[in-house]
Amino acid sequence: SQTIHQWPATLVQPVGSPLSLECTVEGTSNPNLYWYRQAAGRGLQLLFYSVGIGQISSEVPQNLSASRPQDRQFILSSKKLLLSDSGFYLCAWFAGGHYNEQFFGPGTRLTVL
Amino acid sequence: ILNVEQSPQSLHVQEGDSTNFTCSFPSSNFYALHWYRWETAKSPEALFVMTLNGDEKKKGRISATLNTKEGYSYLYIKGSQPEDSATYLCASTTGANNLFFGTGTRLTVIP
Repeated sequence: SQTIHQWPATLVQPVGSPLSLECTVEGTSNPNLYWYRQAAGRGLQLLFYSVGIGQISSEVPQNLSASRPQDRQFILSSKKLLLSDSGFYLCAWFAGGHYNEQFFGPGTRLTVL
Repeated sequence: ILNVEQSPQSLHVQEGDSTNFTCSFPSSNFYALHWYRWETAKSPEALFVMTLNGDEKKKGRISATLNTKEGYSYLYIKGSQPEDSATYLCASTTGANNLFFGTGTRLTVIP
Protein backbone atom coordinates (compact mmCIF):
# COMPACT_ATOMS: atom_id res chain seq x y z
CA SER A 1 0.00 0.00 0.00
CA GLN A 2 1.02 3.58 -0.51
CA THR A 3 2.33 5.76 2.30
CA ILE A 4 3.26 9.42 2.36
CA HIS A 5 5.62 10.91 4.91
CA GLN A 6 6.28 14.51 5.83
CA TRP A 7 8.73 16.02 8.24
CA PRO A 8 9.13 17.76 10.46
CA ALA A 9 5.67 17.66 12.03
CA THR A 10 6.07 21.09 13.62
CA LEU A 11 8.56 23.85 13.11
CA VAL A 12 9.10 27.27 14.67
CA GLN A 13 11.43 29.51 12.72
CA PRO A 14 12.47 33.17 12.97
CA VAL A 15 11.72 35.61 10.17
CA GLY A 16 14.50 35.60 7.62
CA SER A 17 15.63 32.04 8.31
CA PRO A 18 15.68 29.33 5.63
CA LEU A 19 13.17 26.52 5.32
CA SER A 20 13.24 22.96 4.07
CA LEU A 21 10.24 20.66 4.31
CA GLU A 22 10.44 17.17 2.93
CA CYS A 23 7.83 14.81 1.58
CA THR A 24 8.38 11.23 0.46
CA VAL A 25 5.97 8.69 -0.97
CA GLU A 26 6.26 4.91 -0.76
CA GLY A 27 4.50 2.20 -2.68
CA THR A 28 3.93 4.02 -5.95
CA SER A 29 6.01 5.21 -8.86
CA ASN A 30 5.89 8.36 -10.95
CA PRO A 31 3.18 10.04 -8.88
CA ASN A 32 2.08 13.62 -9.29
CA LEU A 33 3.15 15.44 -6.12
CA TYR A 34 1.62 18.56 -4.62
CA TRP A 35 2.39 21.11 -1.91
CA TYR A 36 -0.56 22.88 -0.30
CA ARG A 37 -0.71 25.48 2.43
CA GLN A 38 -3.52 26.38 4.76
CA ALA A 39 -2.99 29.78 6.34
CA ALA A 40 -5.07 30.83 9.33
CA GLY A 41 -8.69 31.31 8.29
CA ARG A 42 -8.03 30.31 4.71
CA GLY A 43 -8.67 27.26 2.57
CA LEU A 44 -6.15 24.86 1.13
CA GLN A 45 -4.05 26.73 -1.38
CA LEU A 46 -2.08 24.84 -4.01
CA LEU A 47 1.52 26.07 -4.00
CA PHE A 48 3.39 23.72 -6.33
CA TYR A 49 2.86 20.53 -8.22
CA SER A 50 5.20 18.18 -10.02
CA VAL A 51 4.49 15.56 -12.68
CA GLY A 52 8.03 14.16 -12.68
CA ILE A 53 11.63 14.51 -11.56
CA GLY A 54 12.83 18.07 -11.98
CA GLN A 55 9.42 19.28 -13.22
CA ILE A 56 7.85 21.93 -11.00
CA SER A 57 4.85 24.12 -11.63
CA SER A 58 4.15 27.07 -9.38
CA GLU A 59 0.59 28.16 -8.81
CA VAL A 60 1.16 31.37 -6.89
CA PRO A 61 4.03 33.85 -6.76
CA GLN A 62 5.81 33.76 -3.43
CA ASN A 63 9.18 33.43 -1.77
CA LEU A 64 8.90 29.64 -1.63
CA SER A 65 10.35 27.15 -4.07
CA ALA A 66 9.99 23.44 -4.64
CA SER A 67 12.22 20.73 -6.00
CA ARG A 68 11.81 17.10 -6.95
CA PRO A 69 15.25 15.49 -6.90
CA GLN A 70 13.90 11.93 -6.94
CA ASP A 71 10.73 10.29 -8.22
CA ARG A 72 9.14 10.01 -4.79
CA GLN A 73 10.67 12.99 -3.03
CA PHE A 74 9.29 16.51 -3.01
CA ILE A 75 10.95 19.37 -1.11
CA LEU A 76 9.58 22.78 -0.22
CA SER A 77 12.14 25.47 0.49
CA SER A 78 12.62 29.11 1.26
CA LYS A 79 15.77 31.18 1.53
CA LYS A 80 14.19 33.74 3.87
CA LEU A 81 10.93 33.11 5.67
CA LEU A 82 8.28 35.79 6.07
CA LEU A 83 5.67 36.04 8.82
CA SER A 84 3.04 35.33 6.17
CA ASP A 85 4.61 31.93 5.50
CA SER A 86 3.14 30.61 8.74
CA GLY A 87 0.58 27.91 8.20
CA PHE A 88 -0.07 24.24 7.81
CA TYR A 89 1.73 22.62 4.88
CA LEU A 90 0.40 19.47 3.31
CA CYS A 91 2.01 17.25 0.72
CA ALA A 92 -0.22 15.11 -1.47
CA TRP A 93 0.20 12.57 -4.24
CA PHE A 94 -1.89 11.37 -7.14
CA ALA A 95 -1.09 8.30 -9.21
CA GLY A 96 -3.60 8.72 -11.97
CA GLY A 97 -7.18 7.76 -12.47
CA HIS A 98 -10.09 7.92 -10.02
CA TYR A 99 -10.97 11.47 -10.96
CA ASN A 100 -7.78 13.06 -9.65
CA GLU A 101 -8.26 11.88 -6.08
CA GLN A 102 -5.27 12.95 -4.01
CA PHE A 103 -3.86 11.41 -0.86
CA PHE A 104 -2.39 13.61 1.82
CA GLY A 105 0.51 13.40 4.20
CA PRO A 106 0.29 14.26 7.90
CA GLY A 107 1.35 17.86 7.38
CA THR A 108 3.82 20.30 8.92
CA ARG A 109 2.74 23.13 11.18
CA LEU A 110 5.09 26.06 10.50
CA THR A 111 5.16 29.09 12.76
CA VAL A 112 7.31 32.02 11.73
CA LEU A 113 8.06 34.45 14.57
CA ILE B 1 -7.97 28.38 -10.99
CA LEU B 2 -11.51 27.36 -10.01
CA ASN B 3 -13.47 29.34 -7.44
CA VAL B 4 -14.87 26.81 -4.99
CA GLU B 5 -16.91 28.12 -2.09
CA GLN B 6 -18.20 26.40 1.01
CA SER B 7 -20.77 27.51 3.54
CA PRO B 8 -21.10 27.92 6.38
CA GLN B 9 -17.53 28.52 7.44
CA SER B 10 -18.21 26.93 10.83
CA LEU B 11 -21.04 25.15 12.49
CA HIS B 12 -21.83 24.02 16.03
CA VAL B 13 -24.50 21.37 16.52
CA GLN B 14 -25.71 19.28 19.42
CA GLU B 15 -25.02 15.58 19.50
CA GLY B 16 -27.85 13.79 17.70
CA ASP B 17 -28.74 16.70 15.44
CA SER B 18 -28.60 16.31 11.71
CA THR B 19 -26.78 18.92 9.69
CA ASN B 20 -25.79 19.81 6.17
CA PHE B 21 -23.47 22.17 4.38
CA THR B 22 -22.86 23.39 0.87
CA CYS B 23 -20.12 23.41 -1.70
CA SER B 24 -20.45 25.63 -4.79
CA PHE B 25 -18.23 25.24 -7.84
CA PRO B 26 -18.12 26.37 -11.48
CA SER B 27 -20.41 24.14 -13.53
CA SER B 28 -18.52 24.64 -16.78
CA ASN B 29 -15.90 21.98 -17.68
CA PHE B 30 -16.85 19.98 -14.60
CA TYR B 31 -15.07 16.66 -14.18
CA ALA B 32 -15.41 15.59 -10.54
CA LEU B 33 -16.19 16.83 -7.06
CA HIS B 34 -14.40 15.45 -4.03
CA TRP B 35 -15.33 15.63 -0.36
CA TYR B 36 -12.64 15.24 2.30
CA ARG B 37 -12.85 15.03 6.05
CA TRP B 38 -9.99 16.68 7.91
CA GLU B 39 -9.57 16.07 11.61
CA THR B 40 -7.18 18.20 13.62
CA ALA B 41 -3.60 16.89 13.53
CA LYS B 42 -4.44 14.27 10.90
CA SER B 43 -4.33 14.06 7.11
CA PRO B 44 -7.42 14.95 5.09
CA GLU B 45 -9.28 11.73 4.38
CA ALA B 46 -11.28 11.17 1.20
CA LEU B 47 -15.01 10.70 1.77
CA PHE B 48 -16.60 10.76 -1.66
CA VAL B 49 -15.83 11.44 -5.27
CA MET B 50 -18.83 12.44 -7.36
CA THR B 51 -19.00 12.81 -11.10
CA LEU B 52 -22.53 12.61 -12.48
CA ASN B 53 -25.37 15.08 -12.11
CA GLY B 54 -27.77 13.68 -9.56
CA ASP B 55 -25.12 11.49 -7.93
CA GLU B 56 -25.84 10.51 -4.36
CA LYS B 57 -23.20 8.85 -2.20
CA LYS B 58 -23.49 7.48 1.30
CA LYS B 59 -21.04 6.26 3.91
CA GLY B 60 -22.64 5.41 7.22
CA ARG B 61 -24.40 8.52 8.54
CA ILE B 62 -22.77 10.79 5.96
CA SER B 63 -24.21 11.34 2.51
CA ALA B 64 -23.69 13.76 -0.34
CA THR B 65 -25.56 14.92 -3.41
CA LEU B 66 -24.35 16.58 -6.59
CA ASN B 67 -25.92 19.04 -9.02
CA THR B 68 -23.49 19.71 -11.85
CA LYS B 69 -25.87 21.88 -13.85
CA GLU B 70 -26.16 24.50 -11.14
CA GLY B 71 -22.75 23.81 -9.58
CA TYR B 72 -23.37 22.70 -6.02
CA SER B 73 -23.04 19.73 -3.73
CA TYR B 74 -24.54 19.13 -0.31
CA LEU B 75 -23.00 17.06 2.46
CA TYR B 76 -25.40 15.69 5.07
CA ILE B 77 -24.62 14.19 8.45
CA LYS B 78 -27.46 12.37 10.17
CA GLY B 79 -27.45 12.13 13.96
CA SER B 80 -24.14 13.97 14.49
CA GLN B 81 -21.70 12.46 16.95
CA PRO B 82 -18.71 14.13 18.66
CA GLU B 83 -16.36 12.07 16.48
CA ASP B 84 -17.84 13.81 13.43
CA SER B 85 -16.16 17.03 14.56
CA ALA B 86 -13.77 17.96 11.78
CA THR B 87 -13.31 20.31 8.85
CA TYR B 88 -15.11 19.11 5.73
CA LEU B 89 -13.43 20.15 2.50
CA CYS B 90 -14.76 19.96 -1.01
CA ALA B 91 -12.60 20.16 -4.11
CA SER B 92 -13.53 20.47 -7.75
CA THR B 93 -11.51 19.45 -10.77
CA THR B 94 -11.79 19.95 -14.51
CA GLY B 95 -9.69 16.87 -15.16
CA ALA B 96 -6.32 18.59 -15.52
CA ASN B 97 -4.77 16.68 -12.61
CA ASN B 98 -5.39 19.45 -10.09
CA LEU B 99 -7.93 19.87 -7.35
CA PHE B 100 -9.25 23.26 -6.28
CA PHE B 101 -10.35 23.35 -2.68
CA GLY B 102 -12.92 25.40 -0.85
CA THR B 103 -12.14 26.96 2.50
CA GLY B 104 -13.93 24.17 4.35
CA THR B 105 -16.71 23.94 6.89
CA ARG B 106 -15.54 23.40 10.44
CA LEU B 107 -18.07 21.24 12.27
CA THR B 108 -18.13 21.00 16.05
CA VAL B 109 -20.51 18.50 17.62
CA ILE B 110 -21.28 19.32 21.23
CA PRO B 111 -21.87 16.30 23.49
